[in-house]
Amino acid sequence: EPEVTQTPSHQVTQMGQEVILRCVPISNHLYFYWYRQILGQKVEFLVSFYNNEISEKSEIFDDQFSVERPDGSNFTLKIRSTKLEDSAMYFCASSAGADGYTFGSGTRLTVV
Amino acid sequence: QQPVQSPQAVILREGEDAVINCSSSKALYSVHWYRQKHGEAPVFLMILLKGGEQKGHEKISASFNEKKQQSSLYLTASQLSYSGTYFCGTELYGNNRLAFGKGNQVVVIP
Repeated sequence: EPEVTQTPSHQVTQMGQEVILRCVPISNHLYFYWYRQILGQKVEFLVSFYNNEISEKSEIFDDQFSVERPDGSNFTLKIRSTKLEDSAMYFCASSAGADGYTFGSGTRLTVV
Repeated sequence: QQPVQSPQAVILREGEDAVINCSSSKALYSVHWYRQKHGEAPVFLMILLKGGEQKGHEKISASFNEKKQQSSLYLTASQLSYSGTYFCGTELYGNNRLAFGKGNQVVVIP
C-alpha cells in the first residue's frame, strides 16, 4: 500500500536554529498538508498546498514557517528560527482530493 | 471551526458497543474519521460527504446527519484492536483543510 514517508523520525535542535522537515507524499496525490500534534493533544492544521502553492494556512503558520515542493516529489516544511513551543510531532499528509488523508509516521521535533 | 467530540473517553469490554460523536456549529462539506494509536500516525477510517449518509468499515460504521453538522461513529462488537484515540476531521465548504477535534479515547479491555 502506498505510504507517505517522512524524515527524519526524530530531530533535536537548539532554540533559534533552522530545521527542515521532509516528506515524500504519495505519487499520484495532488493535495499536501502539514499538521502538528503537541504531546497528547489534538492534531493542529498548519498549511495546505495544491498546484505548487499554499492554498490555506493557519494562524500558527507565521513568517517563521515556509513550505516548498523543490523537485516534484519532496514536500518540505522549514522552521526558520525554532522556539521551545515548536516542540511537537509534525505530520505530513497527502490526499487525492475527495478522499481521506494519508498521514506519514511523523517527525518528532524537540527544541532545547 | 474546531469540531466538538464527545465523550472524551470510553472504556468498554471486548464485544460491547459504543457510540462517539462529533458536532459542528456550521454545515460541513465533509466529515472524516481517523484512529490514532499511541505513538503512531492517524489512520483514515472513512469519509462522509452527504447528509443522511451512513458508511461502514469492518464493524465500525458512521453516520452524517441531514443537516451535515453532526456525525456519529459506531463501534460494534468491539475488539481489542479498536483501542486508540478517534479523531473526527471536519471540512467546511470552500476550504482545503481538515479541522480536528480533541479526540475520543477508546479503551477496549478483555
